[in-house]
Amino acid sequence: DARVTQTPRHKVTEMGQEVTMRCQPILGHNTVFWYRQTMMQGLELLAYFRNRAPLDDSGMPKDRFSAEMPDATLATLKIQPSEPRDSAVYFCASAQGVDNSPLHFGNGTRLTVT
Amino acid sequence: AQTVTQSQPEMSVQEAETVTLSCTYDTSENNYYLFWYKQPPSRQMILVIRQEAYKQQNATENRFSVNFQKAAKSFSLKISDSQLGDTAMYFCAYLTSGTYKYIFGTGTRLKVLA
Repeated sequence: DARVTQTPRHKVTEMGQEVTMRCQPILGHNTVFWYRQTMMQGLELLAYFRNRAPLDDSGMPKDRFSAEMPDATLATLKIQPSEPRDSAVYFCASAQGVDNSPLHFGNGTRLTVT
Repeated sequence: AQTVTQSQPEMSVQEAETVTLSCTYDTSENNYYLFWYKQPPSRQMILVIRQEAYKQQNATENRFSVNFQKAAKSFSLKISDSQLGDTAMYFCAYLTSGTYKYIFGTGTRLKVLA
């Protein structure tokens, strides 16, 4: 089975440090999403890309977060500097981007900022 | 902007009983898709069922069915013959047809009791 691969699975870092999360979407999927999951907010859409172009990153705090797709096989989400309120599970998901094709999720990165 | 609301943060049901999870959404679009995803304790996100807005017939997948009320913008999930393995967080999701933007609700935590 093709899978979305996310690394790392867990990350513990100190406040002020840079954090980079990586995602390898399923081959052939042209739409990639970044979500943040917290108890209070559920699944928040941070940013998404289609054919590597950013379509919407309005859910992302621009001063510290950045999302990129250097190529079709890699998406990155970077936080600099990190803060304790960034502690959450971050999911990457990809889809074929047509009709009602479902999202395929990675296993998430659990980020803890102390 | 589209929004998805799940008003039940937590629910419980006895094994073999039926439970209904509610979801409402707000949109001005006519063409869209609705989904229910399940997240068990493993954190993996699994597609449960999907519904096209242009279809009047409610979708069903084995023990899972939906009650789609387009005019009321309601999309509830019914789980029949609940099993212990149904214990999970359930997310309702809305997909815009044009921009292919996936938006999730805050989730309902379901516990199936033995």
